[in-house]
Amino acid sequence: EVQLVESGGDLVQPGGSLRLSCAASGFPFSSNAMSWVRQAPGKGLEWVSSISAGGGSTYHADSVKGRFTISRDNSKNTLFLQMHSLRAEDTAVYYCAKDVYRYSYGYFFDYWGQGTLLTVSS
Amino acid sequence: DIQMTQSPSSLSASVGDRVTITCRPSQSISNSLNWYQQKPGKAPKLLIYAASSLQSGVPSRFSGSGSGTYFTLTISSLQPEDYATYYCQQSYSTPMYTFGQGTKLEIK
Repeated sequence: EVQLVESGGDLVQPGGSLRLSCAASGFPFSSNAMSWVRQAPGKGLEWVSSISAGGGSTYHADSVKGRFTISRDNSKNTLFLQMHSLRAEDTAVYYCAKDVYRYSYGYFFDYWGQGTLLTVSS
Repeated sequence: DIQMTQSPSSLSASVGDRVTITCRPSQSISNSLNWYQQKPGKAPKLLIYAASSLQSGVPSRFSGSGSGTYFTLTISSLQPEDYATYYCQQSYSTPMYTFGQGTKLEIK
């Protein structure tokens, strides 16, 4: 059974830093790209960051570029999101998601974690 | 960036009704369109990928269609457990994914 378990969410002051983690199990973690998607309170879904299976390629939304860094430790089946210079608008539930690519069907997220809440406030 | 526009933003329907939600990307995305269902306090769940392929385990009352700049998600006979918010997502500009703003479905 695929499981994605996020952790690390907390209350942080503006300008602060935090690292989120996502522990994966039930699938070959090192063979799958992974992503972070966030959802501000009462709002829709926003893609944040993605990382290739090997970790050599990373991508970030413009809203977090230069402040957030996605990474992974394939030996520990764990995905990370390092966040710096946090702002009130970063307040959200952060979900990790398992990327899938199927030939002729494209890309999609087939499994999501339960999410971890980041609150940025003084 | 590809913008995704869903309509309606919310709707109320009765059990047994046929419901259709539309999603229009700001440019053609071929069939690179996915649909997710999210219930309150829960993570999103994949329903449909590549515009019309039903994810394993998803009831057959859900279906998707479309290509290019017009897509639909249809629930053929609404059930009480379908109360949720539905999101479309484009994967054409992978990995710069974008989601629609969501359609909140309420059961009458």
